[in-house]
Amino acid sequence: SQELEQSPQSLIVQEGKNLTINCTSSKTLYGLYWYKQKYGEGLIFLMMLQKGGEEKSHEKITAKLDEKKQQSSLHITASQPSHAGIYLCGADHHSGGGADGLTFGKGTHLIIQP
Amino acid sequence: DADVTQTPRNRITKTGKRIMLECSQTKGHDRMYWYRQDPGLGLRLIYYSFDVKDINKGEISDGYSVSRQAQAKFSLSLESAIPNQTALYFCATSGQGSHEQYFGPGTRLTVT
Repeated sequence: SQELEQSPQSLIVQEGKNLTINCTSSKTLYGLYWYKQKYGEGLIFLMMLQKGGEEKSHEKITAKLDEKKQQSSLHITASQPSHAGIYLCGADHHSGGGADGLTFGKGTHLIIQP
Repeated sequence: DADVTQTPRNRITKTGKRIMLECSQTKGHDRMYWYRQDPGLGLRLIYYSFDVKDINKGEISDGYSVSRQAQAKFSLSLESAIPNQTALYFCATSGQGSHEQYFGPGTRLTVT
C-alpha cells in the first residue's frame, strides 16, 4: 500500500523558474520530513514540519504542512543547478517522534535545465 | 569526518552468499535504522533499534537479520543473498527527543 504519495515523479525546470513538489498522506501526519538526495548518495535533511499550517523556509526552499496534517508541499523559488536531485518526503505516522522509522514517498527527480 | 559511516560502499556478491553490511556512528544516538532504496519504490524500513537490547522489525525484514553490537554499531546481514535484494542500503540514526534522522552515504549491493 502506498501511504505516502509524492508528485510529480519527475520534474524538468528551466533555471530561474519556481517549482512545487507535493506529498500527500493517507493518514494523519505526526511529522513530515523533507530530504534531498544526490543521485546514488545519502539523504540530506532539509526540513521537518509537525504542526498544522506550519511553514518553514531555508534559503530558497519553503515547506508547508496543511491544516489537516495530511499534505505537504515543497516550493523552490528561482531554481538553480544546485537544486537538482531527488527530493523525498518522509512521514511519521505515529506519535513517537519518528522513533519507529519513517515511511517515505517514492521521490521526485528534479532536473534543472540551464 | 562523517558522523554516519557505512562499509562497504559497493559490493557485488553471488546468489546464496552471506553478506554483512556495517554501520557506525559517532553522533552518540540511541536509535539506528536500516532502509533499502529501490528505483521507483522509495526507501523502505528493514529493521530498527532503540538501543543494544531493543531490535524491531520494519516493513520488509524477511531475508535480513541485524545485530546491534554497541550503541555506535548496527550491522545488517543477508544470510543467503538473492538477486531481488539488489538495492541501495542506507543506515540512519536519530537521538532521543530529536526527530531528524541522519543518513549514511549508502551501500550499493548487487546480487548476481
